[in-house]
Amino acid sequence: GENVEQHPSTLSVQEGDSAVIKCTYSDSASNYFPWYKQELGKRPQLIIDIRSNVGEKKDQRIAVTLNKTAKHFSLHITETQPEDSAVYFCAGMFSGGYNKLIFGAGTRLAVHP
Amino acid sequence: DTEVTQTPKHLVMGMTNKKSLKCEQHMGHRAMYWYKQKAKKPPELMFVYSYEKLSINESVPSRFSPECPNSSLLNLHLHALQPEDSALYLCASSQVEGDRGEKLFFGSGTQLSVL
Repeated sequence: GENVEQHPSTLSVQEGDSAVIKCTYSDSASNYFPWYKQELGKRPQLIIDIRSNVGEKKDQRIAVTLNKTAKHFSLHITETQPEDSAVYFCAGMFSGGYNKLIFGAGTRLAVHP
Repeated sequence: DTEVTQTPKHLVMGMTNKKSLKCEQHMGHRAMYWYKQKAKKPPELMFVYSYEKLSINESVPSRFSPECPNSSLLNLHLHALQPEDSALYLCASSQVEGDRGEKLFFGSGTQLSVL
């Protein structure tokens, strides 16, 4: 069935360091992979996404890479800041025309000043 | 308007009550979603509507009844819930383009407590 696995579950870094979160997916026909940031008590907010015809996408300090052959994708945050602290979810849109977006288990990122 | 609006923000109900959650968007999106999120867990898909028709029901118990009265509104009717149904209920919307993935915009959610 459709599944997205995410690692690590928790990540602690010093301010200014880089953070990397990795996800794998089960359905080789999946074509869309967004990343969401959720702060405590808030809604999930889309921070970056990538489609299956692209290998890498960057937006300022955030980048996402996709390896379709290996069915994995990663979020890279450079020059981390305390306000980056949150739970990050990867997700995969599974095929079939029904917009079925399934989330990974989440990574709790803590950036220490 | 890039907002998905959910009401109420908080809801406490007894197991014999009937209540409804409401969601509204004015972005012209034709796909709308209900997700359930327990504390420290990811959002879990419940229902998807495409063009006001139910396209996905993820084996959700019948005590949850979705309704899409028009392209801007989505309701979730609740009846005879159990304490384990207590969670944050998130509504989302997106474009629909066949097999193309599209960005989901989430509402702020309704924090539901079942006593």
